[in-house]
Amino acid sequence: EIVLTQSPGTLSLSPGERATLSCRASQHITGRYLAWYQQKPGQAPRLLISGASNRATGIPDRFSGSGSGTDFSLTISGLEPEDCAVYYCQQYVDSPGVSFGGGTKVEIK
Amino acid sequence: EVRLVQSGAVVKKPGDSLRISCKTYGYSFTNYWLGWVRQRPGKGLEWMGTIYPDDSDTGYNPSVRGQVTISSDKSINTAYLQWSSLRASDTAMYYCARPANKQWLDAFDMWGQGTMVIVSS
Repeated sequence: EIVLTQSPGTLSLSPGERATLSCRASQHITGRYLAWYQQKPGQAPRLLISGASNRATGIPDRFSGSGSGTDFSLTISGLEPEDCAVYYCQQYVDSPGVSFGGGTKVEIK
Repeated sequence: EVRLVQSGAVVKKPGDSLRISCKTYGYSFTNYWLGWVRQRPGKGLEWMGTIYPDDSDTGYNPSVRGQVTISSDKSINTAYLQWSSLRASDTAMYYCARPANKQWLDAFDMWGQGTMVIVSS
């Protein structure tokens, strides 16, 4: 079973700054089968990135994903107030099924 | 338009049985896997299991296997998550979610609005 560890736990930044969120896997993720989600309070998660770097439909280009193997990152370039949320990574390569990281909370100062 | 519409919030007592639903619209229900994800209060996301409605093939997270049952009714494009005996630790928001592609392991691009289940005596 692949365990995903996200860091930092909380990120506090000002509008316009760049946020870099990390997701580290306990085993190599083949095929870059790694996704990122945004979840705002009281809402369901929203898919941002799949295949480590492919933005989902309608996602602004300030969100970008990168990485391979065991180290992946989500970058938000030019933070906006509406980016305040918890962000989760997810792997979808390994049995018995998909798994999620513990999340990174992004706060806007 | 693809939509996943879940049943409403419920309050139950320990030991009660429960079935919650996820009715789907706007796509071929039998051609996509459909998963369930749990989120306990203030906690992260946990995949529970996934079903392929065409033949009811189902995979479970070992952490919940035997505690819940995932099923579907393809005549009404609806998936279900069921408990025979609820515990306080089942208190959570439950989401149904559809994988982006027709694969059992995939990113989830469509989500229901969630069903809050509270188990309390």
